[in-house]
Amino acid sequence: QVQLVQSGAEVKKPGASVKVSCKASGYTFTSYFMHWVRQAPGQGLEWMGIINPSAGSTSYPQKFQGRVTMTRDTSTSTVYMELSSLRSEDTAVYYCARVDCSGGNCPPDYWGQGTLVTVSS
Amino acid sequence: DIQMTQSPSSLSASVGDRVTITCRASQGIRNDLGWYQQKPGKAPKRLIYAASSLQSGVPSRFSGSGSGTEFTLTISSLQPEDFATYYCLQHNTYPCSFGQGTKLEIK
Repeated sequence: QVQLVQSGAEVKKPGASVKVSCKASGYTFTSYFMHWVRQAPGQGLEWMGIINPSAGSTSYPQKFQGRVTMTRDTSTSTVYMELSSLRSEDTAVYYCARVDCSGGNCPPDYWGQGTLVTVSS
Repeated sequence: DIQMTQSPSSLSASVGDRVTITCRASQGIRNDLGWYQQKPGKAPKRLIYAASSLQSGVPSRFSGSGSGTEFTLTISSLQPEDFATYYCLQHNTYPCSFGQGTKLEIK
């Protein structure tokens, strides 16, 4: 069965970077795009970007351009989301979420368990 | 960028009620829309994809409709387990975008 297992909670200081991992299993890793979504405490869902694990190509919203980097390691079926220059507003639960169609144009179906990133001095 | 305007932001209803949640897109997105349910402390769960296709395993009391710029999620007869927060997501054009969410509470 499809599983997405994310890395554990992180506490970071303002200005630092964080790298969250999402290890996939139960399917052909390179066949399905992966989204990253975050949710600040008590707030709604925010789309952070998408990666094509086959090509490694990515798309990010303007808001995160220059601060977010999504990568993948096909040898371990893992995608990564790195966010730099952290500020308190980046405190959130970060989710990876896989689509279930080829080509990537469908809303994600499978979600990781979430990783809490806390930014605090 | 495409903005998704979701309404209402909160809704009080009773078990057995029929409720409708709306998402409006700032430009046409065909039927490239999904609906999600989220409970506290949990990841979102997909209910609907392609605007009106019911996710396998989701009760038939959930339905979606719409195309272009206006979409609705309807719950035909609320059950106790349906009290949660609901989000729409457009994936027609990057960046993808979520609606602001609708918190469905027990009256």
